Amino acid sequence: DAGVTQSPTHLIKTRGQQVTLRCSPKSGHDTVSWYQQALGQGPQFIFQYYEEEERQRGNFPDRFSGHQYPNYSSELNVNALLLGDSALYLCASSPITGGGYTFGSGTRLTVV
Amino acid sequence: AQSVSQHNHHVILSEAASLELGCNYSYGGTVNLFWYVQYPGQHLQLLLKYFSGDPLVKGIKGFEAEFIKSKFSFNLRKPSVQWSDTAEYFCAVDFGNEKLTFGTGTRLTIIP
Repeated sequence: DAGVTQSPTHLIKTRGQQVTLRCSPKSGHDTVSWYQQALGQGPQFIFQYYEEEERQRGNFPDRFSGHQYPNYSSELNVNALLLGDSALYLCASSPITGGGYTFGSGTRLTVV
Repeated sequence: AQSVSQHNHHVILSEAASLELGCNYSYGGTVNLFWYVQYPGQHLQLLLKYFSGDPLVKGIKGFEAEFIKSKFSFNLRKPSVQWSDTAEYFCAVDFGNEKLTFGTGTRLTIIP
């Protein structure tokens, strides 16, 4: 059990569509970060949420947006999907006080 | 730019062989260092982490890593590998900005 729950596990979308991925953080964690892991690559930081605000952002276009709810759960939204958005999307939670990150199992997004 | 390098892309070893996977980063300031393992179809699991103190860190499953500040390195070691160690290994660095920068990963294959 990873402690971090992501849904759905797999998703197939058509180019141009929009997608929403969901993440429930580990109990006691209040910060959620999202990463994109393309095939054969290491995860790349997308953005981080804390107190329902985007705290910092990686080098991803505005098509990628997110949200955090009062219960610390989070969503990742991607608009106008491109074939290159096909990847494993990972959610990681952490306490704002530091100490490390716990990753979920990810959502495998395939854009056709 | 802050980056993380894993020079071994694919390592093939026989059971009981010793393992060392390289990780170097490009930053002279204070860093937090991590090694994660990703078994096929599973989530990223933390093997070990270094924040401060003894530069030789022991993790789970018999793994250890040594932080050498002068070499900007954090190599992962295991004295005797098992078939069950077959997985993808990622080095990750927090460059003091509370997000992880990952290397491209090393695929480890253990031959029984």
